[in-house]
Amino acid sequence: DAGVTQSPTHLIKTRGQQVTLRCSPKSGHDTVSWYQQALGQGPQFIFQYYEEEERQRGNFPDRFSGHQFPNYSSELNVNALLLGDSALYLCASSLVGGDTEAFFGQGTRLTVV
Amino acid sequence: AQRVTQPEKLLSVFKGAPVELKCNYSYSGSPELFWYVQYSRQRLQLLLRHISRESIKGFTADLNKGETSFHLKKPFAQEEDSAMYYCALSTNFGNEKLTFGTGTRLTIIP
Repeated sequence: DAGVTQSPTHLIKTRGQQVTLRCSPKSGHDTVSWYQQALGQGPQFIFQYYEEEERQRGNFPDRFSGHQFPNYSSELNVNALLLGDSALYLCASSLVGGDTEAFFGQGTRLTVV
Repeated sequence: AQRVTQPEKLLSVFKGAPVELKCNYSYSGSPELFWYVQYSRQRLQLLLRHISRESIKGFTADLNKGETSFHLKKPFAQEEDSAMYYCALSTNFGNEKLTFGTGTRLTIIP
C-alpha cells in the first residue's frame, strides 16, 4: 500500500492562474481532507470530502474548491491565484465513522509568482 | 471556535535529558487531542492520541482538562527524536477536521 499519494510534488504558477492538485487516499479509506500549510505554520483545514460531497469546510474563500471521485480520489482547485496561496498543500485520508487515524500525503509545494 | 497553542517554536535538549513539549487548547466541548510528528523529509504522521493512552517511542501525553493542556513528555531524549512536533485537536473521532498548533521544532543535542 503506497499510502496517500499526491501529485504533483512541486508546482509554480503565476498570479491569477488556476491550479489543480490531486490526491489518492490510502487503500480502504473513503474520506479525504485538504490542508494548507504556510511556511512556519501548522496545517490549516480547507475542506473534507466524503461520498463525493463536501462535508466540512474551513475558513477559506470560494476560490478554493474540490471534488471527490467514485474511487475516493480527490482534487483541490484554486482559482485566481494570489501570492499568499503559496504553501504546502497536504491531503489526508481516513475512514468516516471509524476510530481511525488520518494518514497524510507528502504534500504539493505550490509557489505563486 | 477551537484553538491550539504551542508556545515554543524551537526546543533544544541534550541527549538523555527529559523532554516536555507544551500544548494548550481552547474548546468548550470535549476534544480529542493528538500529537503528530514530522521527521526530516518524511510525511506528517500520528505519534499518539489521548484516548489510546499508549506510550509511543517512549513519549506520553496526559490530557489535563482543568488546565486545558496536553503536554508531550519523554523521560530520556534520544537523537532520533529530533523532529517537528504538532499538537492537534479534533471535535470528533479524529478523522474529522483537525486544528493544529504552529509546531515545535525539537533538536536533540548529542
